[in-house]
Amino acid sequence: EDQVTQSPEALRLQEGESSSLNCSYTVSGLRGLFWYRQDPGKGPEFLFTLYSAGEEKEKERLKATLTKKESFLHITAPKPEDSATYLCAVQAGNQFYFGTGTSLTVIP
Amino acid sequence: GAGVSQSPSNKVTEKGKDVELRCDPISGHTALYWYRQSLGQGLEFLIYFQGNSAPDKSGLPSDRFSAERTGGSVSTLTIQRTQQEDSAVYLCASSLGTDLEKLFFGSGTQLSVL
Repeated sequence: EDQVTQSPEALRLQEGESSSLNCSYTVSGLRGLFWYRQDPGKGPEFLFTLYSAGEEKEKERLKATLTKKESFLHITAPKPEDSATYLCAVQAGNQFYFGTGTSLTVIP
Repeated sequence: GAGVSQSPSNKVTEKGKDVELRCDPISGHTALYWYRQSLGQGLEFLIYFQGNSAPDKSGLPSDRFSAERTGGSVSTLTIQRTQQEDSAVYLCASSLGTDLEKLFFGSGTQLSVL
Protein backbone atom coordinates (compact mmCIF):
# COMPACT_ATOMS: atom_id res chain seq x y z
CA GLU A 1 0.00 0.00 0.00
CA ASP A 2 1.30 3.45 -0.92
CA GLN A 3 2.09 5.46 2.17
CA VAL A 4 3.65 8.75 3.21
CA THR A 5 4.67 9.26 6.84
CA GLN A 6 5.88 12.52 8.30
CA SER A 7 7.68 13.08 11.58
CA PRO A 8 7.56 14.63 14.02
CA GLU A 9 3.87 15.55 14.14
CA ALA A 10 4.73 18.78 15.91
CA LEU A 11 7.95 20.68 16.49
CA ARG A 12 8.65 23.72 18.63
CA LEU A 13 11.90 25.58 18.00
CA GLN A 14 13.48 28.68 19.40
CA GLU A 15 14.21 31.34 16.82
CA GLY A 16 17.58 30.48 15.28
CA GLU A 17 17.47 26.83 16.34
CA SER A 18 17.98 24.69 13.22
CA SER A 19 16.24 21.34 12.75
CA SER A 20 14.94 18.85 10.18
CA LEU A 21 11.56 17.44 9.26
CA ASN A 22 11.28 13.92 7.88
CA CYS A 23 9.08 12.43 5.17
CA SER A 24 9.35 8.70 4.52
CA TYR A 25 7.44 6.98 1.74
CA THR A 26 6.59 3.60 0.32
CA VAL A 27 5.21 4.30 -3.13
CA SER A 28 5.48 2.25 -6.27
CA GLY A 29 6.59 4.16 -9.30
CA LEU A 30 7.57 7.40 -7.60
CA ARG A 31 7.54 10.25 -10.10
CA GLY A 32 8.30 13.12 -7.78
CA LEU A 33 8.26 14.30 -4.18
CA PHE A 34 6.76 17.66 -3.25
CA TRP A 35 6.96 19.86 -0.17
CA TYR A 36 4.16 22.31 0.63
CA ARG A 37 3.64 24.84 3.38
CA GLN A 38 0.16 25.33 4.83
CA ASP A 39 -0.85 28.28 6.99
CA PRO A 40 -4.04 28.16 9.11
CA GLY A 41 -7.16 28.71 7.02
CA LYS A 42 -5.25 28.51 3.75
CA GLY A 43 -4.58 25.87 1.15
CA PRO A 44 -1.12 24.33 0.84
CA GLU A 45 1.48 26.43 -0.96
CA PHE A 46 4.15 24.79 -3.11
CA LEU A 47 7.76 24.89 -1.91
CA PHE A 48 9.85 22.27 -3.75
CA THR A 49 9.79 19.36 -6.16
CA LEU A 50 12.45 16.64 -5.98
CA TYR A 51 12.69 14.06 -8.74
CA SER A 52 15.55 11.71 -7.96
CA ALA A 53 17.66 10.44 -5.08
CA GLY A 54 20.53 12.76 -4.23
CA GLU A 55 18.75 15.86 -5.43
CA GLU A 56 18.67 18.97 -3.22
CA LYS A 57 16.68 22.21 -3.52
CA GLU A 58 17.06 25.39 -1.45
CA LYS A 59 14.90 28.42 -0.80
CA GLU A 60 15.87 30.98 1.82
CA ARG A 61 16.15 29.11 5.14
CA LEU A 62 14.77 25.85 3.74
CA LYS A 63 16.62 23.01 2.05
CA ALA A 64 14.97 19.81 0.84
CA THR A 65 16.84 16.58 0.16
CA LEU A 66 15.75 13.22 -1.24
CA THR A 67 16.93 9.63 -0.84
CA LYS A 68 15.34 6.47 -2.17
CA LYS A 69 13.10 6.11 0.87
CA GLU A 70 12.79 9.52 2.48
CA SER A 71 13.09 13.24 2.20
CA PHE A 72 14.24 15.82 4.71
CA LEU A 73 13.27 19.45 4.98
CA HIS A 74 16.09 21.24 6.78
CA ILE A 75 15.29 24.56 8.40
CA THR A 76 18.31 26.73 9.16
CA ALA A 77 18.05 29.53 11.73
CA PRO A 78 14.24 29.64 11.59
CA LYS A 79 12.21 32.77 12.21
CA PRO A 80 8.71 33.06 13.71
CA GLU A 81 7.28 33.60 10.21
CA ASP A 82 8.39 30.05 9.33
CA SER A 83 5.69 28.75 11.69
CA ALA A 84 3.28 26.66 9.63
CA THR A 85 2.38 23.07 8.81
CA TYR A 86 4.73 21.48 6.31
CA LEU A 87 3.26 18.80 4.08
CA CYS A 88 5.06 16.22 2.02
CA ALA A 89 3.45 14.60 -1.02
CA VAL A 90 4.59 11.99 -3.49
CA GLN A 91 3.29 11.56 -7.01
CA ALA A 92 2.70 8.11 -8.47
CA GLY A 93 0.86 8.11 -11.76
CA ASN A 94 -1.68 10.92 -11.65
CA GLN A 95 -2.17 10.56 -7.91
CA PHE A 96 -0.62 12.64 -5.14
CA TYR A 97 -0.29 10.98 -1.74
CA PHE A 98 0.01 13.41 1.15
CA GLY A 99 1.42 12.94 4.63
CA THR A 100 -0.35 14.35 7.68
CA GLY A 101 2.22 17.10 8.03
CA THR A 102 4.54 18.54 10.66
CA SER A 103 3.24 21.52 12.59
CA LEU A 104 6.19 23.85 13.18
CA THR A 105 6.14 26.60 15.78
CA VAL A 106 9.09 28.98 15.99
CA ILE A 107 9.22 30.90 19.25
CA PRO A 108 10.77 34.39 19.24
CA GLY B 1 -8.30 35.66 -11.07
CA ALA B 2 -4.70 34.97 -10.21
CA GLY B 3 -5.29 31.92 -8.06
CA VAL B 4 -7.68 29.05 -7.44
CA SER B 5 -10.95 30.36 -6.06
CA GLN B 6 -13.32 28.32 -3.91
CA SER B 7 -16.77 29.19 -2.65
CA PRO B 8 -18.25 29.35 -0.18
CA SER B 9 -15.37 29.65 2.27
CA ASN B 10 -17.62 28.33 5.04
CA LYS B 11 -20.77 26.25 4.87
CA VAL B 12 -22.90 25.12 7.79
CA THR B 13 -25.66 22.68 6.96
CA GLU B 14 -28.01 20.29 8.66
CA LYS B 15 -27.62 16.56 8.47
CA GLY B 16 -29.48 15.19 5.46
CA LYS B 17 -29.26 18.33 3.33
CA ASP B 18 -27.41 18.52 0.02
CA VAL B 19 -24.49 20.92 -0.49
CA GLU B 20 -22.61 22.20 -3.52
CA LEU B 21 -19.03 23.41 -3.35
CA ARG B 22 -17.51 25.39 -6.19
CA CYS B 23 -13.97 25.60 -7.53
CA ASP B 24 -12.69 28.06 -10.10
CA PRO B 25 -9.23 26.91 -11.22
CA ILE B 26 -6.42 29.00 -12.65
CA SER B 27 -7.11 29.86 -16.28
CA GLY B 28 -5.38 27.43 -18.62
CA HIS B 29 -4.92 24.70 -16.03
CA THR B 30 -6.22 21.45 -17.46
CA ALA B 31 -5.90 19.31 -14.33
CA LEU B 32 -8.20 19.76 -11.34
CA TYR B 33 -8.23 17.83 -8.07
CA TRP B 34 -10.58 17.74 -5.10
CA TYR B 35 -9.20 16.75 -1.69
CA ARG B 36 -10.72 16.49 1.76
CA GLN B 37 -8.76 17.49 4.86
CA SER B 38 -10.00 16.45 8.27
CA LEU B 39 -8.45 17.54 11.55
CA GLY B 40 -5.27 15.58 12.16
CA GLN B 41 -5.57 13.74 8.86
CA GLY B 42 -3.65 14.05 5.64
CA LEU B 43 -5.23 15.28 2.47
CA GLU B 44 -7.60 12.62 1.19
CA PHE B 45 -7.91 12.40 -2.59
CA LEU B 46 -11.47 12.57 -3.88
CA ILE B 47 -11.53 13.09 -7.64
CA TYR B 48 -9.29 14.17 -10.53
CA PHE B 49 -10.19 15.81 -13.83
CA GLN B 50 -7.75 16.08 -16.74
CA GLY B 51 -8.86 17.90 -19.85
CA ASN B 52 -11.63 16.06 -21.66
CA SER B 53 -10.70 12.65 -20.25
CA ALA B 54 -13.03 10.68 -18.03
CA PRO B 55 -12.48 11.76 -14.42
CA ASP B 56 -10.72 9.54 -11.90
CA LYS B 57 -13.41 9.08 -9.26
CA SER B 58 -11.58 6.40 -7.30
CA GLY B 59 -11.33 8.52 -4.14
CA LEU B 60 -14.99 9.38 -3.71
CA PRO B 61 -15.99 7.84 -0.35
CA SER B 62 -19.59 7.00 -1.23
CA ASP B 63 -22.22 7.48 -3.92
CA ARG B 64 -23.44 10.54 -2.03
CA PHE B 65 -20.42 12.35 -3.45
CA SER B 66 -20.25 13.50 -7.06
CA ALA B 67 -18.39 16.15 -9.03
CA GLU B 68 -18.51 17.67 -12.43
CA ARG B 69 -16.37 20.03 -14.40
CA THR B 70 -18.05 22.17 -17.00
CA GLY B 71 -16.26 23.41 -20.09
CA GLY B 72 -12.94 22.25 -18.73
CA SER B 73 -12.98 25.04 -16.16
CA VAL B 74 -15.26 25.45 -13.13
CA SER B 75 -15.91 22.38 -11.02
CA THR B 76 -18.68 21.62 -8.54
CA LEU B 77 -18.47 19.01 -5.80
CA THR B 78 -21.89 17.88 -4.61
CA ILE B 79 -22.54 16.01 -1.39
CA GLN B 80 -26.04 14.60 -1.06
CA ARG B 81 -27.75 13.75 2.24
CA THR B 82 -24.84 15.11 4.25
CA GLN B 83 -23.68 13.27 7.36
CA GLN B 84 -21.74 14.58 10.34
CA GLU B 85 -18.66 12.65 9.22
CA ASP B 86 -18.63 14.76 6.04
CA SER B 87 -17.50 17.75 8.12
CA ALA B 88 -14.05 18.74 6.88
CA VAL B 89 -12.20 21.25 4.74
CA TYR B 90 -12.67 20.55 1.05
CA LEU B 91 -9.71 21.72 -1.01
CA CYS B 92 -9.52 22.17 -4.74
CA ALA B 93 -6.24 22.29 -6.64
CA SER B 94 -5.34 22.84 -10.26
CA SER B 95 -2.21 22.37 -12.33
CA LEU B 96 -1.06 22.72 -15.89
CA GLY B 97 -1.56 18.99 -16.20
CA THR B 98 1.82 18.24 -17.66
CA ASP B 99 4.12 15.76 -16.03
CA LEU B 100 5.20 16.44 -12.44
CA GLU B 101 3.50 19.80 -12.24
CA LYS B 102 3.00 21.36 -8.84
CA LEU B 103 -0.50 21.86 -7.53
CA PHE B 104 -2.01 25.28 -6.84
CA PHE B 105 -4.56 25.09 -4.05
CA GLY B 106 -7.53 27.21 -3.17
CA SER B 107 -8.20 28.22 0.43
CA GLY B 108 -10.84 25.54 0.79
CA THR B 109 -14.43 25.30 1.95
CA GLN B 110 -14.93 24.53 5.63
CA LEU B 111 -18.01 22.31 5.75
CA SER B 112 -19.78 21.78 9.07
CA VAL B 113 -22.68 19.33 9.23
CA LEU B 114 -24.78 19.74 12.35
